[in-house]
Formats: sequence, C-alpha cells, structure tokens
Amino acid sequence: DARVTQTPRDKVTEMGQEVTMRCQPILGHNTVFWYRQTMKQGLELLAYFRNRAPLDDSGMPKDRFSAEMPDATLATLKIQPSEPRDSAVYFCASGSFTYNEQFFGPGTRLTVL
Amino acid sequence: RKEVEQDPGPFNVPEGATVAFNCTYSNSASQSFFWYRQDCRKEPKLLMSVYSSGNEDGRFTAQLNRASQYISLLIRDSKLSDSATYLCVVRYSGGGADGLTFGKGTHLIIQP
Repeated sequence: DARVTQTPRDKVTEMGQEVTMRCQPILGHNTVFWYRQTMKQGLELLAYFRNRAPLDDSGMPKDRFSAEMPDATLATLKIQPSEPRDSAVYFCASGSFTYNEQFFGPGTRLTVL
Repeated sequence: RKEVEQDPGPFNVPEGATVAFNCTYSNSASQSFFWYRQDCRKEPKLLMSVYSSGNEDGRFTAQLNRASQYISLLIRDSKLSDSATYLCVVRYSGGGADGLTFGKGTHLIIQP
C-alpha cells in the first residue's frame, strides 16, 4: 500500500532554530505539494514541484522558508529561523496527472516556543 | 474574497439522521470538484469527486450547482464513524492533482 511518508511526525523547537521537514512521495508521482494547516487559516499551499522543478512557491514566506527536491524520492521544507507563528501542521502530498487526487502524508506537527 | 467557503460548524447530528452541508466557490471557471475527509489529527483523504450530474457512493451523495456556484454533500443514515471534518475542494486549472484549492472544512459530530 503506497503512502507518502513524512519525518519528523512531531517537532518542538525554540524560536530562532532551524527546522527541516522531509517527505518521501509515492513512487511514480511526479508532483509534490507542501501545505501548512492551522485552525485559523485552514490548509494553505506553500509550494509545489513537478518533476522536481518548483512550479509555485508564492504561498511561502521567502525570507525564512525554502523548499527543495534533491531527488525524486525526497522533498524538504526548511524554516530558518523559526518563529512561534510558524507553529502548525505541515503536510506533504503527492500526485500525478493520471489521477485527480492528492495523497497526503501524515503531517509534521511543529511547535515553536 | 475567499475562493472556497464552507460553514465551519460544528454540525452536531444524532446517529441515524441525515445531514447536508454546502460549499460555495467564487471562480466560475472552476473545472472540478471534490470532497475530502479529514479525521482528527490525521491527514485529508479523498472522499469522492463531484460530477455535474451528481453522484452517489453508498450513503453519500454529492451535488453540483454551477449556476449558483455551490456543491453539496449529503450523508444519510449517519454513523458515529462519519464524525470528521469535510473539506470542499475545487480545481481551477491544470490537470490531475494540480491546482486544487481547499476550503477550511465543515466539522461534523455524530452523537450516539
């Protein structure tokens, strides 16, 4: 049963620290998405990649956030420096042109103190 | 203006009852529509697509009204396991998994 995996599942850190979140998309999916979910804002698209190339990162604060796909099996989202307002659940999702569905990972619950 | 709007609820419904909720979208060029379900502290998962003619999957019925720009989800004979947040999703452009815009969700609580 193919699934999107994310690590870590939970992260508690102090303001100013660097946070790196990792995602392994489903093998064969060529599109990868990063979302942030909070009670107030709901699911917000931060960035997405197709065939490892960034297509849209307009939802991402550029000064502190960066997203990359070093290879087809790994996507990373980095926050440096982290701030308390970054506390949220970060989801990675993958998909392909064949299906209308995005498959979500379990999320990384980030708490910045 | 928000692109996809939903009543956040919560909708408190007794087990066995029928419940329905709507979602409105602002872009008339919207191409495709979906309902995702998200359980507490879990990831969203596709529940069903919404077709122009309406479609049914067991106890779940989805309807699309393009003229009024809303979609609906109806759940019959509700079960305790239906308790979740239901996310309305609209695709404006692109194809496949691209271009999805998520609503903030409607929280449903089925009570015994």
